[in-house]
Amino acid sequence: TQLLEQSPQFLSIQEGENLTVYCNSSSVFSSLQWYRQEPGEGPVLLVTVVTGGEVKKLKRLTFQFGDARKDSSLHITAAQPGDTGLYLCAGAAEFQGGSEKLVFGKGMKLTVNP
Amino acid sequence: EAGVAQSPRYKIIEKRQSVAFWCNPISGHATLYWYQQILGQGPKLLIQFQNNGVVDDSQLPKDRFSAERLKGVDSTLKIQPAKLEDSAVYLCASSLNPLRGSETQYFGPGTRLLVL
Repeated sequence: TQLLEQSPQFLSIQEGENLTVYCNSSSVFSSLQWYRQEPGEGPVLLVTVVTGGEVKKLKRLTFQFGDARKDSSLHITAAQPGDTGLYLCAGAAEFQGGSEKLVFGKGMKLTVNP
Repeated sequence: EAGVAQSPRYKIIEKRQSVAFWCNPISGHATLYWYQQILGQGPKLLIQFQNNGVVDDSQLPKDRFSAERLKGVDSTLKIQPAKLEDSAVYLCASSLNPLRGSETQYFGPGTRLLVL
């Protein structure tokens, strides 16, 4: 069974602070996705990283895929209250028929206080 | 473009009752997923459809859960009879093609089920 461990699980910070969320596994994934989920809504895809060592930036968010494609990190610079939400990482694992299935971590609940 | 629609948004039932959830995916999306998200956990895939055929239902508790996708568009997920541990958010998602590489899954807002 492929598992994704996210840390920390909860984080409450002040506006303007920086933070890093980690997503770790003992399994290799073909790609890894990061989602943000707000209360009462479904997850929304932020980014997909595919290549080991890949770094992607989305405004104040920086995503990195580990060289071995087993782990990933999300760094947020100068957090804002609008960044509040549940951050989920999901690894894509080979399935049958050439398709893949997503394995989700438990998520990191972020609260950014004004 | 309209997103994934789900109904109802909330449902409260007593244990041993039956309940059904409905999902309308994004138009043209061939692949449809049902996930269960228990409080404090990430979504867990219950079943995946490709058009109206089942691709993966390995984590669906088949003694009480059933799902169908007639005509390859809308889908319903049913629980009969419900147990307390079924309390969760049930998310429907769709993608244009089966998940591969950079393919994106689009999630609906979910149905929040509380079993008393």
